[in-house]
Amino acid sequence: GQQLNQSPQSMFIQEGEDVSMNCTSSSIFNTWLWYKQDPGEGPVLLIALYKAGELTSNGRLTAQFGITRKDSFLNISASIPSDVGIYFCAGQNYGGSQGNLIFGKGTKLSVKP
Amino acid sequence: DAGVIQSPRHEVTEMGQEVTLRCKPISGHDYLFWYRQTMMRGLELLIYFNNNVPIDDSGMPEDRFSAKMPNASFSTLKIQPSEPRDSAVYFCASSSYRGSLGGYTFGSGTRLTVV
Repeated sequence: GQQLNQSPQSMFIQEGEDVSMNCTSSSIFNTWLWYKQDPGEGPVLLIALYKAGELTSNGRLTAQFGITRKDSFLNISASIPSDVGIYFCAGQNYGGSQGNLIFGKGTKLSVKP
Repeated sequence: DAGVIQSPRHEVTEMGQEVTLRCKPISGHDYLFWYRQTMMRGLELLIYFNNNVPIDDSGMPEDRFSAKMPNASFSTLKIQPSEPRDSAVYFCASSSYRGSLGGYTFGSGTRLTVV
């Protein structure tokens, strides 16, 4: 089945630094999504991308849908301690019915104050 | 909107016991998903429902797992008998296909420990 490769697996950064993570797939998706999971909670949707080449921002977060439709990246600018958590990419295809989300394994972000 | 509500938040049970996890989706959402999260395998889709009907249960690991959705506001995931390898965090999520393209709303999860 479809699989997503998400990298890096973990990051340790200093507060104020920028962060970049990405996700690649062997097959194309119609939609790319980025979620954040805080400890002890479920994933929360950050950004959704629906068109190849699309660049979307949500505050300090910026995500892009790759032109090939097989990849996406997420950038976080000027990181702060509350950015700590696990970030998941997810790909989705729509057919005649709801498509399933395929999740990456996540990038664990640690921020040193 | 209270979001997706799962219960219990934590469950510790002995091997061989029956475990029932519960989920209340967001009102008006017509899709409901059950996921399992482990360190080794990440987030895995177990089963999903559309309008209370199971659509795809190919992710259910084995016959010990079963899920039901008797009405639009309630779903259960049952494991009988439970085994230590079932220990994981189980998430329920819901979405409205027509309401928003893509994106599920997840509950806070049930952390299951089978000893």
